[in-house]
Amino acid sequence: RKEVEQDPGPFNVPEGATVAFNCTYSNSASQSFFWYRQDCRKEPKLLMSVYSSGNEDGRFTAQLNRASQYISLLIRDSKLSDSATYLCAGVGASKIIFGSGTRLSIRP
Amino acid sequence: NAGVTQTPKFQVLKTGQSMTLQCAQDMNHNSMYWYRQDPGMGLRLIYYSASEGTTDKGEVPNGYNVSRLNKREFSLRLESAAPSQTSVYFCASSESGDSSYEQYFGPGTRLTVT
Repeated sequence: RKEVEQDPGPFNVPEGATVAFNCTYSNSASQSFFWYRQDCRKEPKLLMSVYSSGNEDGRFTAQLNRASQYISLLIRDSKLSDSATYLCAGVGASKIIFGSGTRLSIRP
Repeated sequence: NAGVTQTPKFQVLKTGQSMTLQCAQDMNHNSMYWYRQDPGMGLRLIYYSASEGTTDKGEVPNGYNVSRLNKREFSLRLESAAPSQTSVYFCASSESGDSSYEQYFGPGTRLTVT
């Protein structure tokens, strides 16, 4: 089992919709989590950190569920520009592990 | 601030050739990393350097060597390239390997080995 797993998608949703995807992790000792965004043929860029109490940044909300060992990303009022691959990452045992990414496509 | 820069952007090698990928950061970060990204595989850590003067193996180190030349620069060398090393290579840096794992990535090097 991979340490960090994501549904590869693609998620294809209309503009304005709310979309959410999860990322599960197997290492219960993982301390920190992040969501990165990666555009096609570009480098990953940090989208947001995931705190125990949840984290909101504009239309984006990240949540951590330690009991079920997953993190989630919710995007409200999705825009065409949100189309990208979203990578989750977990930190534990002094190393960071990335998921394979979830591809999101927003259609007009 | 240029952030993290990588050279070259593209490279085609023949099997058995060698090359060095260069990476530099101007954010005064202590830690630097080399990843490879293959379709469906996500980012896999090749080597990292928690601080100047130290390097450690990551998940997929075989076939690679690294040098942390100074605080700014971290290079990745392929001594004898193989087709299995065809990939996109990303360099990243972070403030510290212990306290902050928010990583900043370079634009990547697309390597093809024929």
